[in-house]
Parts: sequence; structure tokens; C-alpha cells
Amino acid sequence: GQNIDQPTEMTATEGAIVQINCTYQTSGFNGLFWYQQHAGEAPTFLSYNVLDGLEEKGRFSSFLSRSKGYSYLLLKELQMKDSASYLCAVMDSNYQLIWGAGTKLIIKP
Amino acid sequence: GAVVSQHPSRVICKSGTSVKIECRSLDFQATTMFWYRQFPKKSLMLMATSNEGSKATYEQGVEKDKFLINHASLTLSTLTVTSAHPEDSSFYICSAREGADYEQYFGPGTRLTVT
Repeated sequence: GQNIDQPTEMTATEGAIVQINCTYQTSGFNGLFWYQQHAGEAPTFLSYNVLDGLEEKGRFSSFLSRSKGYSYLLLKELQMKDSASYLCAVMDSNYQLIWGAGTKLIIKP
Repeated sequence: GAVVSQHPSRVICKSGTSVKIECRSLDFQATTMFWYRQFPKKSLMLMATSNEGSKATYEQGVEKDKFLINHASLTLSTLTVTSAHPEDSSFYICSAREGADYEQYFGPGTRLTVT
């Protein structure tokens, strides 16, 4: 079956760095997405990786290793507004998104 | 950037009634639209995928007669929850994709409460 694993919850301090990991097992691979979702709101797109390596976009970076079925989202200089759920999703061979359960990130002052 | 709107944002209905949720792509042609539901503290669950002008493809376990999806144009898809029951109360989110573009653009979601 298809499976996306990510931690349920993480806590970090304002101004610090946090890494959210995601491992996946899917039937085919057409890219991995990270989305941010605040409570009661729809997800917003953060990043897309289809090739191995690191993609940097401001305070957020995303890494992919296809051979290991592994990705991480790195958030730097954490701000209180970064408190949200972070969803990892993989596009499978049918171009369907397979979603992880999300990681709730709690930022403490 | 691409914008997807959803209407209504919140709806409360009585058990047994039907509710229609609209999803519109405002500045692009949504050849494919997706409907998700999300329970509190849970991830998104894909309900169905619809391509403009054709019948929706429903995920396993989703009743097509209960959740009617119509994707009549390249900018509008509707989800009708028929004979709603309290267990249908959820957050319903649509997303849209243009052509072979990899990115899905999400609507703001609709909070449905069935009393």
C-alpha cells in the first residue's frame, strides 16, 4: 500500500530552526509537496521537489532523496505565525496526491 | 497567482436536507478539480477527482449517490451533499489544477455542520 509518515507534533522555540521529516512509500513518484495549513483554513503551497537535493525559498527549505524515500522541510528563524500543521504529500504514478497526516508545529516564545 | 474560491465558507443545515458547495477557479482553467474532506486534526482525504465535462472518479468508500459532483465548466465544480446527516459534518476543501500543471490550488474550504 501507499504510505506517508511524518511526526504528529513538534515543538520549537521562536527564532530557532526546526526540521520536519517525511518518509514515503508510494506506487510511482511524480514529486513531493509540502503544504502549510493553519487551523480551520485550507492548505497553502510551500514547496515542490521532484529531483534530489535541497530547494531553498526564503526561510523555508525542502530536501528530497528519492532513493531513500525521504524528505524534510526546514524552517529557519521561526516566527509565532509559523505555528501550523505541515502536510507532506507525494504525487504517485497516477498523478494523485497521497497525503501524510500532517505535523502540528507548536512555536513557543 | 492562481485563485480558487469556495462558497459558502460555512453552512449549517438540518439532517435530511441537501447542501451544495461551489468551487470556482477565478483566473485559470481548471481542467481537473479535486474534492477533499478533512476531520479535525486529521489529514486531507480525497473524495473524488473530476475532469471538466466527464463524470467524477470517486475514491473507494465514497458514496457517489450521496456526494454528487458536477464539473460542468472549466471554472466551476459543485459538490452536493444529499440527505445530509450529522456524520457528514466536516471541512470540505476543493482544489484545482490546470492542464498538466503539477500544482493544485486550494480553495478556502467550507465548514459544514449538520444538526
